[in-house]
Amino acid sequence: ELKVEQNPLFLSMQEGKNYTIYCNYSTTSDRLYWYRQDPGKSLESLFVLLSNGAVKQEGRLMASLDTKARLSTLHITAAVHDLSATYFCAVDQAGTALIFGKGTTLSVSS
Amino acid sequence: DAGVIQSPRHEVTEMGQEVTLRCKPISGHNSLFWYRQTMMRGLELLIYFNNNVPIDDSGMPEDRFSAKMPNASFSTLKIQPSEPRDSAVYFCASSKPLAGGPSHQAFGPGTRLTVT
Repeated sequence: ELKVEQNPLFLSMQEGKNYTIYCNYSTTSDRLYWYRQDPGKSLESLFVLLSNGAVKQEGRLMASLDTKARLSTLHITAAVHDLSATYFCAVDQAGTALIFGKGTTLSVSS
Repeated sequence: DAGVIQSPRHEVTEMGQEVTLRCKPISGHNSLFWYRQTMMRGLELLIYFNNNVPIDDSGMPEDRFSAKMPNASFSTLKIQPSEPRDSAVYFCASSKPLAGGPSHQAFGPGTRLTVT
């Protein structure tokens, strides 16, 4: 059974600081997805990582994938309040459905 | 592009009543997914369809839950009879495949179900 684990589950950051969210998964997969969810809202796709070594960046967020280590990271640079949200990683199961981690709730304060 | 459309957005019902949630996927997307989100259990996949055919319903919690996709533009998730523990946000998502696997799933706004 594919398992996806994120850590930390809760993260309180100061504006301007850097931090990394980790996503580990239990079986071989070459595709990993990151989503963002604001409170009371739906999930918004952030990144799709399709191969080992893939790196994608959007603004202050950068995601990377190491399929050999079964690890993806979401790095936050110089956090701002607008980044406060819950971030989910997800891995596809046998090329079909996605299995989601429990999410990391990020709170950025001044 | 209107995105994934779900209705109703909010549903409050009494225990024992039948509840039907509806979803219209993005045009051209051939995979459709139903998820349930709760604080305790997170985001759970209930069932998904490829080309209107149910592929994996192992996440459907009980026989009280059923899902259909009669055509490429419509799906329903039905709970009969509903129970308080079914209270959750139910998301529908759709996707079209990249080579060798799914593209990112586009999520609908969700239906917040409360069963009293």
